[in-house]
Amino acid sequence: AQKVTQAQTEISVVEKEDVTLDCVYETRDTTYYLFWYKQPPSGELVFLIRRNSFDEQNEISGRYSWNFQKSTSSFNFTITASQVVDSAVYFCALSEERRGSYIPTFGRGTSLIVHP
Amino acid sequence: DGGITQSPKYLFRKEGQNVTLSCEQNLNHDAMYWYRQDPGQGLRLIYYSQIVNDFQKGDIAEGYSVSREKKESFPLTVTSAQKNPTAFYLCASRNEKLFFGSGTQLSVL
Repeated sequence: AQKVTQAQTEISVVEKEDVTLDCVYETRDTTYYLFWYKQPPSGELVFLIRRNSFDEQNEISGRYSWNFQKSTSSFNFTITASQVVDSAVYFCALSEERRGSYIPTFGRGTSLIVHP
Repeated sequence: DGGITQSPKYLFRKEGQNVTLSCEQNLNHDAMYWYRQDPGQGLRLIYYSQIVNDFQKGDIAEGYSVSREKKESFPLTVTSAQKNPTAFYLCASRNEKLFFGSGTQLSVL
């Protein structure tokens, strides 16, 4: 069984604030993948990052950064100097093998609202 | 440009009616997926297909059916057995990551 928990249902910040979205996962597999997706109001999910279970190196991409810690089963996402365009629902997902295919299971999402 | 096309964008179902949601991809991906999204529920897996002429039930397959006769197409039928069909439906295909369509909002008349 696998489970992804995004405990923050909604976060509201003012533009230029830093914000961290939490993701905690459960799996018994040693090989798995973690993802973050962004869903703007248009509805289509946009891929942000993929990380495999053997790569704990943190990653930074512009204002986005990700902190993967296997010891705490967490894969947190930080937006630095948030902007109004960052307003969206963000999903964390865990993918482990099921019948020969890696099937992502998604958390319930965190709605981020950035006020001007 | 390559991508996933879902149609229609909005769909209305009458009680007792079956409706079919279209999903087409030109990314040459073998694997395709259908997810259902309800407010506050995240995405839940309905069906997935790893290859043509093969598909597997996901976590909430009851009341739904699919077919995979062509690599490019993975239509989802919401049958009359699905008593609570109102939701946002997302189709995806995969290589190393999932690529999503823009979704279909299904409502009940």
